[in-house]
Amino acid sequence: NAGVTQTPKFQVLKTGQSMTLQCAQDMNHNSMYWYRQDPGMGLRLIYYSASEGTTDKGEVPNGYNVSRLNKREFSLRLESAAPSQTSVYFCASNQGSEQYFGPGTRLTVT
Amino acid sequence: QKEVEQNSGPLSVPEGAIASLNCTYSDRVSQSFFWYRQYSGKSPELIMSIYSNGDKEDGRFTAQLNKASQYVSLLIRDSQPSDSATYLCAVKESSYKLIFGSGTRLLVRP
Repeated sequence: NAGVTQTPKFQVLKTGQSMTLQCAQDMNHNSMYWYRQDPGMGLRLIYYSASEGTTDKGEVPNGYNVSRLNKREFSLRLESAAPSQTSVYFCASNQGSEQYFGPGTRLTVT
Repeated sequence: QKEVEQNSGPLSVPEGAIASLNCTYSDRVSQSFFWYRQYSGKSPELIMSIYSNGDKEDGRFTAQLNKASQYVSLLIRDSQPSDSATYLCAVKESSYKLIFGSGTRLLVRP
C-alpha cells in the first residue's frame, strides 16, 4: 500500500497562474482533507470531503476549490495563485478518528 | 474559536532523559486527542491517540489526558537524538475535523 500520495512534490508559480494539486489514497478511506502549513501556524484546514460526493469548507478556503473525483482522489485547485498561497500543502485521509498524511507539496508563488 | 495551544520551544533535553510535551485545548466536549511527530521537511506521522482520562503507554511514549484541566501531554522516555522533531497536538473538533496546535520543537542533545 502506498498510503496517501500527492503530486507534484514541488511547484513554482507566478502570480495569477493556476494549478491543481493531486491527492490519492489506497486505504479505502471515506474522508479526505487538504491542509496548508505555514511556519509557526501549524496545520490549517482548507477543505475536506467527508465522503465521496461531498465537500465542505475548512478554516481557510478562500482562493481554493476542490473536487472529490471518486473515493480515492481529492484534488485542490488554485485558480489565480497569489504570493499569500506560498505554503506546504498536505493531503490526508481517515477512517474513524485517525488521520494519515501524504508527503506534501511545497508551493512557491512569486 | 476552538484552540489548541502548545509551547513552540525548542525544548532541549539530553540523550536518555525524559522529554515532556504539553498541550492545552479550549473545547470542553472534546473526546479524542492525538500526537503527531513531524521531522523537518516531512509530513506529520501519527504516534499516539488517547480517548479517556489517564495514561496510555506505547513503547517509550506515554500520552496523558486530563479532561477536567483540559490538557494532554506526551512523555518520551530515554530520549534519543532521532526523537528530535516537531510534535503536533491535535484535538478532534467534530466527526470529521481535527484542530492542530502549532507544535513544539524537541531537540535531543547527544
